[in-house]
Amino acid sequence: NAGVTQTPKFRILKIGQSMTLQCTQDMNHNYMYWYRQDPGMGLKLIYYSVGAGITDKGEVPNGYNVSRSTTEDFPLRLELAAPSQTSVYFCATGTGDSPLHFGNGTRLTVT
Amino acid sequence: TQLLEQSPQFLSIQEGENLTVYCNSSSVFSSLQWYRQEPGEGPVLLVTVVTGGEVKKLKRLTFQFGDARKDSSLHITAAQPGDTGLYLCAGNSGTYKYIFGTGTRLKVLA
Repeated sequence: NAGVTQTPKFRILKIGQSMTLQCTQDMNHNYMYWYRQDPGMGLKLIYYSVGAGITDKGEVPNGYNVSRSTTEDFPLRLELAAPSQTSVYFCATGTGDSPLHFGNGTRLTVT
Repeated sequence: TQLLEQSPQFLSIQEGENLTVYCNSSSVFSSLQWYRQEPGEGPVLLVTVVTGGEVKKLKRLTFQFGDARKDSSLHITAAQPGDTGLYLCAGNSGTYKYIFGTGTRLKVLA
């Protein structure tokens, strides 16, 4: 039972490059979330989705885009990477009132 | 903008001591969750509190939700080195948009 799978685990980008962080779940959860976590800090919500075809901004959406074409997948797109986007990115899923289930994160460095 | 402030930010204590971590907001939450995070991993749920004034116990951990549902506390009795980690509160305002607190990093020394 995979749960929430994030790929890649690590990535180094040059300033201005683009990339997509993948998140796939096999838990059939409607709600999916993307968070970023800077060293030693809490999590900041980037975008979230309450179901396929529906997405909404979180606390820090600038510089990111998302899509939710299926229940299982919720990719996060960085179009023009900047050093300020160096962080650990976590994808999470839930059913609403249930606890959030997190992936193991993607560590991104932009230089 | 909803904000969840946690205090203290850092805490280093000796094994056997008691401690309390606070999670405060000016916003009302329909529920609040506490998570613990180990290095290199995602947060893992400890407890969910829903009712104002609710108290829940998980072994040596006691969680309380404020009467007005704007704040919460986590109390650890007789801390052990295994309690070391980053403690995070997360609030749900009713729209399932979970906002996390600023985090409390706890280190328990043997």
